[in-house]
Amino acid sequence: KAGVTQTPRYLIKTRGQQVTLSCSPISGHRSVSWYQQTPGQGLQFLFEYFSETQRNKGNFPGRFSGRQFSNSRSEMNVSTLELGDSALYLCASSLGGELAEYFGPGTRLLVL
Amino acid sequence: KNQVEQSPQSLIILEGKNCTLQCNYTVSPFSNLRWYKQDTGRGPVSLTIMTFSENTKSNGRYTATLDADTKQSSLHITASQLSDSASYICVVSRNAGKSTFGDGTTLTVKP
Repeated sequence: KAGVTQTPRYLIKTRGQQVTLSCSPISGHRSVSWYQQTPGQGLQFLFEYFSETQRNKGNFPGRFSGRQFSNSRSEMNVSTLELGDSALYLCASSLGGELAEYFGPGTRLLVL
Repeated sequence: KNQVEQSPQSLIILEGKNCTLQCNYTVSPFSNLRWYKQDTGRGPVSLTIMTFSENTKSNGRYTATLDADTKQSSLHITASQLSDSASYICVVSRNAGKSTFGDGTTLTVKP
């Protein structure tokens, strides 16, 4: 069974640009969550989607948005990038959000 | 406030030794507790998941315990190997999938 995949794996952007990250969950998983991980803040929850609906949301500004498609694939968008957005962005999938989450390898974003 | 606190923040041990990592939480209502291992620059990998009724769960050399009354969990690593060097993250979930992450314990195993 294929694991969670994320693309791209690495990304370099400049301040003010916008970026879209993609996540394909494990087949059959309907819940997809996004996390930001930085050395100083640890893992921070961004949002969770279940059956194309945002079910939970963390404390991030509106520049961070996401969506989920009918095939459960999810995208995360960050607009007007700031230097502080440099981080490892992790996606996790699960059957229904209450069970074990399976993480992807992450997308490392560097904002210059 | 729902919180998860892990200790120690970092730990250095010699290869072959055992170690125990701690996780205390105030999350309520409790649904499950998970331990993850995260190698540098990679996504976390689930080690164990325990529900309210489970006290102990093992995964090879990793054994997690849960005391739901005191809201404490521990992860015991037996006969450590160099590959155990990683960050270990405790995650406690409430109902409806809301999870609270600990800051992790960074374990370094030295030869």
